[in-house]
Amino acid sequence: QVQLQESGPGLVKPSGTLSLTCAVSGFSIGDNHWWGWVRQSPGKGLEWIGETSHSGSTNYNPSLQSRLTISVDTSKNHFSLHLTSLTAADTAVYYCARKMTFAFDIWGQGTVVTVSS
Amino acid sequence: DIQMTQSPSSLSASVGDRVTITCRASQTIANYLNWYQQKPGKAPKSLIFGVSNLQNWVPSRFSGSGSGTDFTLTISSLQPEDFATYYCQQSYSLPRTFGQGTTVEVK
Repeated sequence: QVQLQESGPGLVKPSGTLSLTCAVSGFSIGDNHWWGWVRQSPGKGLEWIGETSHSGSTNYNPSLQSRLTISVDTSKNHFSLHLTSLTAADTAVYYCARKMTFAFDIWGQGTVVTVSS
Repeated sequence: DIQMTQSPSSLSASVGDRVTITCRASQTIANYLNWYQQKPGKAPKSLIFGVSNLQNWVPSRFSGSGSGTDFTLTISSLQPEDFATYYCQQSYSLPRTFGQGTTVEVK
C-alpha cells in the first residue's frame, strides 16, 4: 500500500534551515499527483505549508513563501521541504501527504521539529 | 485567504448519538471541501473529499453535505473509535486553509 515517511533533524537552531524529506513507497511519485506538507504547532490546528506536482510545479503558503522551497526527486521517489530563517514559531509536527482529487488522502506519521538553541 | 470556521469548537456526546459539525467558509468554495479526523499523537486521516465523497476506508455512518459556503459533517451513530478532532479544509484556492478543529469528547 502507499506509505509516506518523513525524515529530518528533530532539533534545529534559531536562524537555521530545516530540511525534511518525505519518502514515498508503494506508489510512483511521478504518476501525476501533487504532494504536500502540513504542520501542526503544539496544541494547535493544522497549517498548510505548500505542495509540489510530480513535475516540480509548486504552490506555497504566502506566510512562508519567502523562506520556503519544496522540491521533488522522481528518481528517488521522494520530495523535500527546505525552510530557512527558523524561529521558535516554526516548532511543530511536520506531515507530508499525497494529494488525490481535492484532498490529502495519504499522510505520513509526522516528524517533530523543535527550534531551539 | 479564505477563513474556515468550524462550530462548535468542542462537543460532548455518547456512543450512539448523532453528531453534526458545521464548517463555514468566508467566501464560496464551490464543492472543494474536505474533512479529516485526527486522534491524539496521530496524523490526520482523510474522511471525505469534495463535500460528500467518502474515502474507501471510511464507514458509511459518516456523511458530508453542503455547498457554497456552508458545510456539515454528520456521524449518524457515534462509535467509540470516533472520539477525535475533526478538521475541515478548503482546496478551492491558495492557501489551502483548515478550520480550527472540532473535538468530539465523551459525555
